[in-house]
Amino acid sequence: NAGVMQNPRHLVRRRGQEARLRCSPVKGHSHVYWYRQLPEEGLKFMVYLQKENIIDESGMPKERFSAEFPKEGPSILRIQQVVRGDSAAYFCASSPSGPSTGEKLFFGSGTQLSVL
Amino acid sequence: LAKTTQPISMDSYEGQEVNITCSHNNIATNDYITWYQQFPSQGPRFIIQGYKTKVTNEVASLFIPADRKSSTLSLPRVSLSDTAVYYCLVGVVNTDKLIFGTGTRLQVFP
Repeated sequence: NAGVMQNPRHLVRRRGQEARLRCSPVKGHSHVYWYRQLPEEGLKFMVYLQKENIIDESGMPKERFSAEFPKEGPSILRIQQVVRGDSAAYFCASSPSGPSTGEKLFFGSGTQLSVL
Repeated sequence: LAKTTQPISMDSYEGQEVNITCSHNNIATNDYITWYQQFPSQGPRFIIQGYKTKVTNEVASLFIPADRKSSTLSLPRVSLSDTAVYYCLVGVVNTDKLIFGTGTRLQVFP
């Protein structure tokens, strides 16, 4: 019974390159959330997706960042033209249904993005 | 949005009971209170959830007073492996995101 799988675990990019972070939710979960965490800080909400739909992207920068959760395959968080300030841990979480009262999130181990 | 306030850090010794209190003054009627634990370089892990009074599981207890404006996570007889950051979340009905605060960094000493 696999949990949330994120890959790669560590990703190194040079400034200006693209970063693609993948998240496979718990089997049967159709809701995915992405969070960003800077060192010594809490988790910052970025985006909430359901299959093929972006429900809430209010925490995601309007430029260079995009997310998708296709009908088949993992959810992808894409960062174009990365800058040093994008260096952070990116966590994905999934849940079987939406964030209604009482929902529990299952988190992956995160992707540590380092921008040189 | 129901904002939560927690102490930034706490220290304890092995074998002691640790109580972490979270304030959530504008909690809504249907909101639940959920606590997560996060170890370094790992994603948060669900600990316990409650609505009112007291909830207990194999890991912790959660105490919620009648007015529900605060909650207390109780960790009995902590060990070194309980050193982690603990987050209190309040579920917000009819919105699409769960907000994490800055959490409480618990350090357990031998």
